Amino acid sequence: AQSVTQPDIHITVSEGASLELRCNYSYGATPYLFWYVQSPGQGLQLLLKYFSGDTLVQGIKGFEAEFKRSQSSFNLRKPSVHWSDAAEYFCAVGEGIASGTYKYIFGTGTRLKVLA
Amino acid sequence: DGGITQSPKYLFRKEGQNVTLSCEQNLNHDAMYWYRQDPGQGLRLIYYSQIVNDFQKGDIAEGYSVSREKKESFPLTVTSAQKNPTAFYLCASSPSSAGGYTFGSGTRLTVV
Repeated sequence: AQSVTQPDIHITVSEGASLELRCNYSYGATPYLFWYVQSPGQGLQLLLKYFSGDTLVQGIKGFEAEFKRSQSSFNLRKPSVHWSDAAEYFCAVGEGIASGTYKYIFGTGTRLKVLA
Repeated sequence: DGGITQSPKYLFRKEGQNVTLSCEQNLNHDAMYWYRQDPGQGLRLIYYSQIVNDFQKGDIAEGYSVSREKKESFPLTVTSAQKNPTAFYLCASSPSSAGGYTFGSGTRLTVV
């Protein structure tokens, strides 16, 4: 079965430092991969997505992610973290369930804390 | 602006009562989904619907029911058969492509 692993439950970084959140997936075919961000008590917002092509994808809020097929990874990065980036981040893989329809399998999330 | 509206934001119910969570979208998306979120467990799929009058069970459908009578609406009923209903419930929709979900802001259900 498809699965997504986010090995870091919590990460703490200082404001201005770089950030990398890890995501590993298990999927037989070429995966559709996503990163979402969730602020407390809110829904999830799409940061970026990978379907095909260039393995380095740019997203909103200065985030980027790199797809590495050989490592089954899709790590999220940001060169300089801002205090407003403190939130929970979810990696997801899209699984086709019918023509044009997908359900997403989510990782358990990584909670980011930013120190001033 | 288009989006997904979930209501209410907070819901309290007594044990043994059924409760219905509302989800409305004006994005003209075909597919809609309900997820349950518990701390440390990520999001788990309850039900999904690809078109009107059709829906499918997800990974944790026991104790839940849904309907899809209109394209815009996908209400979720948490029945008394759900053993542990206290959770944060998220509704999402997507177009007929792998474009990613649009999420609502969630409903926090507390059963006492």
